Amino acid sequence: EPEVTQTPSHQVTQMGQEVILRCVPISNHLYFYWYRQILGQKVEFLVSFYNNEISEKSEIFDDQFSVERPDGSNFTLKIRSTKLEDSAMYFCASSEVLGRNEQFFGPGTRLTVL
Amino acid sequence: SQQGEEDPQALSIQEGENATMNCSYKTSINNLQWYRQNSGRGLVHLILIRSNEREKHSGRLRVTLDTSKKSSSLLITASRAADTASYFCATDRDYKLSFGAGTTVTVRA
Repeated sequence: EPEVTQTPSHQVTQMGQEVILRCVPISNHLYFYWYRQILGQKVEFLVSFYNNEISEKSEIFDDQFSVERPDGSNFTLKIRSTKLEDSAMYFCASSEVLGRNEQFFGPGTRLTVL
Repeated sequence: SQQGEEDPQALSIQEGENATMNCSYKTSINNLQWYRQNSGRGLVHLILIRSNEREKHSGRLRVTLDTSKKSSSLLITASRAADTASYFCATDRDYKLSFGAGTTVTVRA
């Protein structure tokens, strides 16, 4: 069964460093998303992406964040200068139809900022 | 905010019993989805119910949706130890999912 994959599973970085989280969505899906979950808190929407453009972003997704689909399979989330409060589980998701179909989530990348 | 809010926060049941959890939300939605998350792991999609549907079944899962009350329920029948997890409802509107805080279900053997 096709699934969303994410690498790495765990990333440890120093405050101020740049990190890139990688995702491979399900191959026939057209819509891609990033969410995050701070330990013990709700899953929060960050950004949605379609046709090489951001469709919507939340207040969390400020200028420190960017997304890219560098090739036909990968979808990345970049945090330019990490802060302690960026420590969280980051989930990538994809869906066939924007907003009206199941979103399938990857296993997540646990980001720890020291 | 359209966020779903689950009730109860935690539920402990004996294996074989049914587990019911509820979700309430605030605004109109396209659909509502239920997810399961095992401790420290990813989100597993369980079931999607569209705004024009009232009830949906998938295996041992039964989901209802009452758009007039802006609420949904998830019933897990004949629970198993493997059903121990956190369960989240997520409302879908405007191209994003809004998650509640979840219900933590513990199934005792």
